[in-house]
Amino acid sequence: SQQGEEDPQALSIQEGENATMNCSYKTSINNLQWYRQNSGRGLVHLILIRSNEREKHSGRLRVTLDTSKKSSSLLITASRAADTASYFCATDGSLSNFGNEKLTFGTGTRLTIIP
Amino acid sequence: EAGVAQSPRYKIIEKRQSVAFWCNPISGHATLYWYQQILGQGPKLLIQFQNNGVVDDSQLPKDRFSAERLKGVDSTLKIQPAKLEDSAVYLCASSLETEYEQYFGPGTRLTVT
Repeated sequence: SQQGEEDPQALSIQEGENATMNCSYKTSINNLQWYRQNSGRGLVHLILIRSNEREKHSGRLRVTLDTSKKSSSLLITASRAADTASYFCATDGSLSNFGNEKLTFGTGTRLTIIP
Repeated sequence: EAGVAQSPRYKIIEKRQSVAFWCNPISGHATLYWYQQILGQGPKLLIQFQNNGVVDDSQLPKDRFSAERLKGVDSTLKIQPAKLEDSAVYLCASSLETEYEQYFGPGTRLTVT
């Protein structure tokens, strides 16, 4: 079963604009991760945010986490054509503290950047 | 650093036939994962290995799917017999024993006709 649900399912914006995607999940988590998947390729890890963190930045990416609402958002600033991809959130949903937890992925947001 | 390797990249078989996928993880990665990704959905974990041992196979349809990881390195995933609903991309991923980030291979796209 899917733990995370991304919203919106699809998003089209002009190049240079900011893109925001949201993820909601159901159970308590240790960490939440965002992955990107380009057409016909495997997934690439973008960023991990721990349950005790509220915001994290990496380059043009900004992730927020609200554990009280069980939700996260991914913001991509100054979008580029190369950002066109599907974006997935993944949660571990585990109570353990060690790594290599079972990840449960959401259904993804399909982002299209219009040149 | 070489990434996760998978083969074949594409496979077309008829239902009730068997098929096998191969994965070579990043050197030194103790944990290996197989995911199934049906079109329009997120990846679903089928099985997770820690070195040679199985950590989680709760979502593996064991009546038709099997997987092994010999010597804690390469892994194979087999489907026998295949069903139409097995059409999907099968992704292999690996991670360091103490890290959360998973590194994915390019996947094998399976079409069952």
